[in-house]
Amino acid sequence: QVKLVQSGAALVKPGASVKLSCKASGYTFPVYWVNWVKQSHGQSLEWIGEIYPNSGATKFNEKFKGKATLTVDKSTSTGYMELSRLTSEDSAIYYCTRRAYSGDYFDYWGQGVMVTVSS
Amino acid sequence: DIVLTQSPALAASLGQRATISCRASQSVSTSSYNFMHWYQQKPGQQPKLLIYDASNLASSIPARFSGSGSGTDFTLTINPVQADDIATYYCQQTRELPRTFGGGTKLELK
Repeated sequence: QVKLVQSGAALVKPGASVKLSCKASGYTFPVYWVNWVKQSHGQSLEWIGEIYPNSGATKFNEKFKGKATLTVDKSTSTGYMELSRLTSEDSAIYYCTRRAYSGDYFDYWGQGVMVTVSS
Repeated sequence: DIVLTQSPALAASLGQRATISCRASQSVSTSSYNFMHWYQQKPGQQPKLLIYDASNLASSIPARFSGSGSGTDFTLTINPVQADDIATYYCQQTRELPRTFGGGTKLELK
């Protein structure tokens, strides 16, 4: 069955960077876009961006350009998102998702990872 | 960006119908496609796809969930409401980038 398993919670200092991982299994990883979504505490969902593993092509929400970098490792079926120059505004839960093959919606979600930015 | 507006909360009785609405700031439909989707999120869990393309039931989702609408106005209906349906429901548009979500509607028991 399809699974997206994300790395554990992170506590990071302001100004630092953090790299989150999302390991996929149960499907052909290279041909599905991997998306990332932010959920600030008690708030709604924000789309960050997506990456196509086969080519490495990316698309971003303008708001997160310069903040998020998306990469993949096809050999391990893992997607990564690095967040840089962290501030308290970046404290949130981050989800990776799979975009459906023939539709523009997210059919599977990772369990989410909480990132806390604090000194 | 396309803004999606949802009521923050809705109270419903078990066994009754609940209707959750989502209004877009501009059309998210074409002549042949509705780029609107619905997700359910329970506390402490990740969101789960319920409805895609406005009216298609996602895999393994019970038939008491249904979706309708086009253009700027969309509806998620739960009939009948069960205790397990207590959650927050989000609409999402993918007509244009950036993909955006509504603020969520928290379904509560009356």
